Amino acid sequence: QVQLVQSGAEVKKPGSSVKVSCRASGGTFSSYAISWVRQAPGQGLEWMGRIIPMLGIAEDAQKFQGRVTITADKSTSTAYMELSNLRFEDTAVYYCARDQDCSGGSCYSDYWGQGTLVTVPS
Amino acid sequence: QSVLTQPPSVSGAPGQRVTISCTGSSSNIGAGYDVHWYQQLPGTAPKLLIYGNTNRPSGVPDRFSGSKSGTSASLAITGLQAEDEADYYCQSYDSSLSGVFGTGTKVTVL
Repeated sequence: QVQLVQSGAEVKKPGSSVKVSCRASGGTFSSYAISWVRQAPGQGLEWMGRIIPMLGIAEDAQKFQGRVTITADKSTSTAYMELSNLRFEDTAVYYCARDQDCSGGSCYSDYWGQGTLVTVPS
Repeated sequence: QSVLTQPPSVSGAPGQRVTISCTGSSSNIGAGYDVHWYQQLPGTAPKLLIYGNTNRPSGVPDRFSGSKSGTSASLAITGLQAEDEADYYCQSYDSSLSGVFGTGTKVTVL
């Protein structure tokens, strides 16, 4: 049974950074990409980027380039998403998800973490 | 602003059939990239509903079906049930923006 367990909620000051972790168990961590998706309060899903732990290659969404860093530690089966220069609009639930397959050109996620609420007060 | 457009809401009575559209362009769905669908119940993480345009993961009822044509895709729910009341999102890839989600649709069971 694959499980993705994320770190706890955070409250951060504007201009600071946050680093969210996502520990995988029950599967072969390196064999799959891990995506990060966020959801602002009452809003839709927004893809932020992904990493392929086996290759250490990360891809970020254009909107977050320069502010997001996605990494992975194969030794602990943990992926990380760090977002810098936080602003009020970054207040959201951040999810990690395992990308099962990308053969059709777009990847889909079959397992999701429980979500991590990051609050940036105005 | 997402490049995949969905209707904000759809509704139907129990037992009815509802469809949710996901309209893209030549840089995403129209370019041949697969479309996937997720269901999100309030306060929970999204759940994979349809992958590769038409495929259902194990455990997803066959009341849910997906299709794709041209620059659009659709999710159909037949025999609508109260437990289907949720938010639904399509997902694909855009050659300029990478991974993209649809704007989301709230399904209400009357």
